[in-house]
Amino acid sequence: DTGVSQDPRHKITKRGQNVTFRCDPISEHNRLYWYRQTLGQGPEFLTYFQNEAQLEKSRLLSDRFSAERPKGSFSTLEIQRTEQGDSAMYLCASSIGQGQGGYTFGSGTRLTVV
Amino acid sequence: GQNIDQPTEMTATEGAIVQINCTYQTSGFNGLFWYQQHAGEAPTFLSYNVLDGLEEKGRFSSFLSRSKGYSYLLLKELQMKDSASYLCAVRDPTGGGNKLTFGTGTQLKVEL
Repeated sequence: DTGVSQDPRHKITKRGQNVTFRCDPISEHNRLYWYRQTLGQGPEFLTYFQNEAQLEKSRLLSDRFSAERPKGSFSTLEIQRTEQGDSAMYLCASSIGQGQGGYTFGSGTRLTVV
Repeated sequence: GQNIDQPTEMTATEGAIVQINCTYQTSGFNGLFWYQQHAGEAPTFLSYNVLDGLEEKGRFSSFLSRSKGYSYLLLKELQMKDSASYLCAVRDPTGGGNKLTFGTGTQLKVEL
């Protein structure tokens, strides 16, 4: 296992279009997190899954955002009707349990909305 | 809510020691993490503190004082490759205790 994988690495889309990102966590990790990071800022929490259950969502996650983790394996994050303010790096992380050994982050998907 | 403060930028010399401070004000606390992030790359885990004291791991050490809401990351024998952003993050015990709140990061520049 080579870590947390995210696809695509880069996405450029026109305002108003829908986009979907995929995250494949480390296989034995039961917890999966989505974060968003803008330039010069730390990552901001979006949502968290334990297995297939979405247990927490940030207020940052508007109705245009939806995340799923079918079968408790990979996860998708969809943004509908994208806005320029959605431009950011979207990071996925996974952990075993509460992650005392650290949360492992993927390399992220950089979204640019034009 | 959580408020995490760390310096925006620091500069240090190769071979030297640098200390990056982090202060936090939180409604709850369940551990503090330090991550390293090179430009355009994923954050990588450096250290975790949940009890007061110093945790040492090679050239990196991290200290925590829960009563003071304070942590620092100590980097020894600095190398050019240590030039990166260093992120302090506090785990929020609410909602299942899994949300990390990050500071804005400290951009460290190591010079010759």
